[in-house]
Amino acid sequence: EPEVTQTPSHQVTQMGQEVILRCVPISNHLYFYWYRQILGQKVEFLVSFYNNEISEKSEIFDDQFSVERPDGSNFTLKIRSTKLEDSAMYFCASNPLLAGEDEQFFGPGTRLTVL
Amino acid sequence: AQTVTQSQPEMSVQEAETVTLSCTYDTSESNYYLFWYKQPPSRQMILVIRQEAYKQQNATENRFSVNFQKAAKSFSLKISDSQLGDTAMYFCALIDGYAGNNRKLIWGLGTSLAVNP
Repeated sequence: EPEVTQTPSHQVTQMGQEVILRCVPISNHLYFYWYRQILGQKVEFLVSFYNNEISEKSEIFDDQFSVERPDGSNFTLKIRSTKLEDSAMYFCASNPLLAGEDEQFFGPGTRLTVL
Repeated sequence: AQTVTQSQPEMSVQEAETVTLSCTYDTSESNYYLFWYKQPPSRQMILVIRQEAYKQQNATENRFSVNFQKAAKSFSLKISDSQLGDTAMYFCALIDGYAGNNRKLIWGLGTSLAVNP
């Protein structure tokens, strides 16, 4: 069964460093998302991406964040200069964007630890 | 603004018994989707069940069923014959709006369910 994959599973970085989180959505899906979950808190929407551009972004998704679909399969989230408060679980999700298909399929997540 | 509220931070149930997790929501949309996701200790997000707002019939998936009360904006999850593997965090979520392609999920805070042997 097709699934969303994410790498790495765990990333440890120093404050101020750049990180790139990678996701491979399900191949025929057209709509992509990043969410994050700070430990013990609710899941928060970061950004949605469709047709090679950002569809919507939240207040969290400031200039330090960017997303890209560089090669038609990968979907990346870049944090330019990480802060301690960026420590969280980051989930990628994808959706086929078909009528009646509103389920978002989630990857296993990347745990980001900023020291 | 759309919101999802889960008022039970923690619950526990004995194996083989039934438990109900509560969720209320608020939206101005007339058509929307509601979901229950399960997050076990592995932290993978797994879809448990979904409900389309325009369908009056409550969704059912094996031991999982919902009680969808549209007028009351309530969407509770019932787990029958609870199993140890049901121990997880359960999140209620709403697809915000149906206009255009904006389909971001709005999440509740979650309910931590422990199934005891």
